[in-house]
Amino acid sequence: AQSVTQLGSHVSVSEGALVLLRCNYSSSVPPYLFWYVQYPNQGLQLLLKYTSAATLVKGINGFEAEFKKSETSFHLTKPSAHMSDAAEYFCAVSDLNGNQFYFGTGTSLTVIP
Amino acid sequence: DAGITQSPRHKVTETGTPVTLRCHQTENHRYMYWYRQDPGHGLRLIHYSYGVKDTDKGEVSDGYSVSRSKTEDFLLTLESATSSQTSVYFCAISELESGGTDTQYFGPGTRLTVL
Repeated sequence: AQSVTQLGSHVSVSEGALVLLRCNYSSSVPPYLFWYVQYPNQGLQLLLKYTSAATLVKGINGFEAEFKKSETSFHLTKPSAHMSDAAEYFCAVSDLNGNQFYFGTGTSLTVIP
Repeated sequence: DAGITQSPRHKVTETGTPVTLRCHQTENHRYMYWYRQDPGHGLRLIHYSYGVKDTDKGEVSDGYSVSRSKTEDFLLTLESATSSQTSVYFCAISELESGGTDTQYFGPGTRLTVL
């Protein structure tokens, strides 16, 4: 079965600093990978997804993620954090059929003014 | 935003009572999912559906049942609610996209408290 590990359940950054949220996956073949964001009391919103077209994936709100097969990683980054980025972030991997997702336990991002 | 609604949005019930949560979509997507979200566990799949009357179990299906009689509605039932089922429940939908993968789109969630 697929699995996802998110290192760091809580990450704090200063406003304007680099955001780096880590995600490692376990898969025997290149999977499909996703990052979702969840704002308080809301559902999950898709940030970006990797579907093997390009290893560097750009998403909404200035976020991007790079697929590194050798490291089995799909880390999420943003060059400059904004207060509005404070939220919970989830990494997910889908199975080979594409219709079952496996989510990480989430990383809560705090942005310090 | 994908057209997904969940009802009720909040519910408080007592142990041993039956509870049904409803997910309604206007996107005509084939796949529908029920997840629960708990601190430290992320989202865990309860059941999913791949068509009308076609459902399958997920990771944490014990104590839950589902039904899908129409494309647009997916019901989650707790036959006899327990305190361990206190959680936030999310519905998601997806459709097969080009490239062979689906993107899941989520509803706003239902906060269920079992006393």
